[in-house]
Amino acid sequence: SQKIEQNSEALNIQEGKTATLTCNYTNYSPAYLQWYRQDPGRGPVFLLLIRENEKEKRKERLKVTFDTTLKQSLFHITASQPADSATYLCALDILQNSNYQLIWGAGTKLIIKP
Amino acid sequence: DSGVTQTPKHLITATGQRVTLRCSPRSGDLSVYWYQQSLDQGLQFLIQYYNGEERAKGNILERFSAQQFPDLHSELNLSSLELGDSALYFCASSVDGFYEQYFGPGTRLTVT
Repeated sequence: SQKIEQNSEALNIQEGKTATLTCNYTNYSPAYLQWYRQDPGRGPVFLLLIRENEKEKRKERLKVTFDTTLKQSLFHITASQPADSATYLCALDILQNSNYQLIWGAGTKLIIKP
Repeated sequence: DSGVTQTPKHLITATGQRVTLRCSPRSGDLSVYWYQQSLDQGLQFLIQYYNGEERAKGNILERFSAQQFPDLHSELNLSSLELGDSALYFCASSVDGFYEQYFGPGTRLTVT
């Protein structure tokens, strides 16, 4: 079955350092992969989308890589700040039961310490 | 503010009851998605509508149904509620496709 794995343990990073989050998937070849941020009790917020033919994408302090051979995406936040503390979700599109849908990782909780 | 609105914010009801959750997408978005998020299950895709038509179905129970109206707002109906249906229900919208979705604030459903 389709599976997405994200670091299940919370990630503690010192302010100013680079935080790196991992998203691994199995048994599928998605056309694109997305990263979202979610704060407690609130809806996810779209951050970045990377397509299967793109190796890397950047937006301000954020960088996403996508390795379709390893079936892995890495999400980096450089010069991290306490305000970056949140849960980060990855999501990818899959074809299931003759239609496309989005499946989501369980998320990694990121804690940036001052 | 994502531009997606959901009502009500909180809902407490008893087992066996039926509830309706409402969602208004961002202006200009034709696709609406419904998700369920519980502590032990993560975010689960339920169903997608595009311009009034059902486009994709995820892990939606037969007790649940949804529709999208001509003004593009959507409703999710949950019936014969069980304790396990307690969760946060999110609506999201996008112009089209599954990418770059904008989520509403969610409806927290508690079934007692």
